[in-house]
Amino acid sequence: AQSVTQPDIHITVSEGASLELRCNYSYGATPYLFWYVQSPGQGLQLLLKYFSGDTLVQGIKGFEAEFKRSQSSFNLRKPSVHWSDAAEYFCAVGADTGNQFYFGTGTSLTVIP
Amino acid sequence: KAGVTQTPRYLIKTRGQQVTLSCSPISGHRSVSWYQQTPGQGLQFLFEYFSETQRNKGNFPGRFSGRQFSNSRSEMNVSTLELGDSALYLCASSPYAQVTNYGYTFGSGTRLTVV
Repeated sequence: AQSVTQPDIHITVSEGASLELRCNYSYGATPYLFWYVQSPGQGLQLLLKYFSGDTLVQGIKGFEAEFKRSQSSFNLRKPSVHWSDAAEYFCAVGADTGNQFYFGTGTSLTVIP
Repeated sequence: KAGVTQTPRYLIKTRGQQVTLSCSPISGHRSVSWYQQTPGQGLQFLFEYFSETQRNKGNFPGRFSGRQFSNSRSEMNVSTLELGDSALYLCASSPYAQVTNYGYTFGSGTRLTVV
């Protein structure tokens, strides 16, 4: 069965510093992988997705993620964090049925001015 | 283009009551999914509808039910509410039958508090 692990519950970074959020997945075939962001009191917004091709994918708001099959990872990165990036970030893998996702437990990001 | 609209945004109910939540997907989107989000369990899949048919259901008791109408709008119902049903209920829509290929657009959710 598919599953997603986000090892870091909470991360604090300084504004302008680089960011990497970790995501590990469990899936037999080539996974469909996604990163979403959730601001307080809001729904989830899609940042980026991967399902084939180039292993480095670019998303919105300056985020990128790299798919590494050998490590079963799909880590999210940003070279320079802005205060507005403070939010909860969720990694998700698409189920093989094609019509649901399994989400990680999320990583809460705090940005220090 | 309007996003996914969920109503109401906030709801307070008493244990034992029932509740109906509504979701209007983006125009043209035929797939609607529901998730329950709680601090302890995270995001858990409830069900997914496509063209009025429930294609997939998560591991929730029968008190949780849903439906989709011909205009793709969806409702979910929770009967005999328990304190543990307090959560943010998120609706998400997709224009594609194979939603995992493309991801969802989520609504802002309905915050349900059971007292």
